[in-house]
Amino acid sequence: GENVEQHPSTLSVQEGDSAVIKCTYSDSASNYFPWYKQELGKRPQLIIDIRSNVGEKKDQRIAVTLNKTAKHFSLHITETQPEDSAVYFCAARRGMIKAAGNKLTFGGGTRVLVKP
Amino acid sequence: GAVVSQHPSWVICKSGTSVKIECRSLDFQATTMFWYRQFPKQSLMLMATSNEGSKATYEQGVEKDKFLINHASLTLSTLTVTSAHPEDSSFYICSASGTTIASNQPQHFGDGTRLSIL
Repeated sequence: GENVEQHPSTLSVQEGDSAVIKCTYSDSASNYFPWYKQELGKRPQLIIDIRSNVGEKKDQRIAVTLNKTAKHFSLHITETQPEDSAVYFCAARRGMIKAAGNKLTFGGGTRVLVKP
Repeated sequence: GAVVSQHPSWVICKSGTSVKIECRSLDFQATTMFWYRQFPKQSLMLMATSNEGSKATYEQGVEKDKFLINHASLTLSTLTVTSAHPEDSSFYICSASGTTIASNQPQHFGDGTRLSIL
């Protein structure tokens, strides 16, 4: 099955600096890669996702890049703010969700702390 | 849009009790719902996948007789933890996806249920 590795496990940055989180996946058939932000005791919230026909996607201060050949994808947060502090999870999934086995596999998570 | 409601948000009960958790999609029809368990400072671990009107598919190591899942309608799935014990204490989160057959539909998560077994 799919295996997703996420690094680093913790990341401390100064407010205004950039944060980068990297993930690798094992299943070459995976073609959907979402990123979730989870604050303590709350639900994971989808912040950005990318599909395999795209190499990069940006939404304001957040961007995701995907390298299908190398099977890795990254989350970039620019101009970090204290409210960006949370745990971030990457995930990977094969195509259609209704098909058996097409489930999200999550990385181990990155605890991001933005220091004011 | 794409709101998933989960109840209850917190349960504290005695060992041996059965606990039912509900997951509802409020503004869309959910063909598929997922149930996850998350221990403190750990990632989300998928327990089972349920498709409306059919039996759930459980992940390896998850006891289907202990964690009963029902997905009787396109807007409701329930997880019942039967005869719960302290080791079942965890954060349980459901997730749902819509009915369109287009690929790569996002998953939307409920608020989670913190289960504490005394």
